[in-house]
Amino acid sequence: DTAVSQTPKYLVTQMGNDKSIKCEQNLGHDTMYWYKQDSKKFLKIMFSYNNKELIINETVPNRFSPKSPDKAHLNLHINSLELGDSAVYFCASSQLGTLQFFGPGTRLTVL
Amino acid sequence: QQQVKQSPQSLIVQKGGISIINCAYENTAFDYFPWYQQFPGKGPALLIAIRPDVSEKKEGRFTISFNKSAKQFSLHIMDSQPGDSATYFCAAAGNTGKLIFGQGTTLQVKP
Repeated sequence: DTAVSQTPKYLVTQMGNDKSIKCEQNLGHDTMYWYKQDSKKFLKIMFSYNNKELIINETVPNRFSPKSPDKAHLNLHINSLELGDSAVYFCASSQLGTLQFFGPGTRLTVL
Repeated sequence: QQQVKQSPQSLIVQKGGISIINCAYENTAFDYFPWYQQFPGKGPALLIAIRPDVSEKKEGRFTISFNKSAKQFSLHIMDSQPGDSATYFCAAAGNTGKLIFGQGTTLQVKP
């Protein structure tokens, strides 16, 4: 009965590889988000989708591409991984933009 | 103008004491101010939130005080417990639902 789930929880990969993180929410929310939390714990929004439509796209390198196959899923694909991409990535969901519920996070380590 | 400044960066409180974390914002378009609690290895969890039409909101031991004219808001944790030891984030959002987070405060409650 997990509200917002992410897979995988840990991802260790080499520089230059391409990887994906998956997110699913079973709350019936219409909006989903990706956040990045850096090593200093700073949380910053990357993307937001509302009913499969991209509504927030922060200044994120275009190596990052979100994809929303339906409103319950939001995946994050990262091409040509760099050392600086190492972080914890959180998916979140909400209804009407507030009360955002976060997933457990995916710790990405790029070697 | 999009920043939310949070202080202190870290806080040590004795069990039973009051923990106070402060945040300040600049953008007067913000109309939603949540606080999140994050334990190590977990995603941020919504603790309590306030809108600018009220000056205070209380839920159990947690209280938000809001000063619209000063553009400041704070979290008070009464009767702090060791289980409250976590990182706390304030945030602010406008009508896009885009959450702008403060830098976080690591709270340690000593038994």
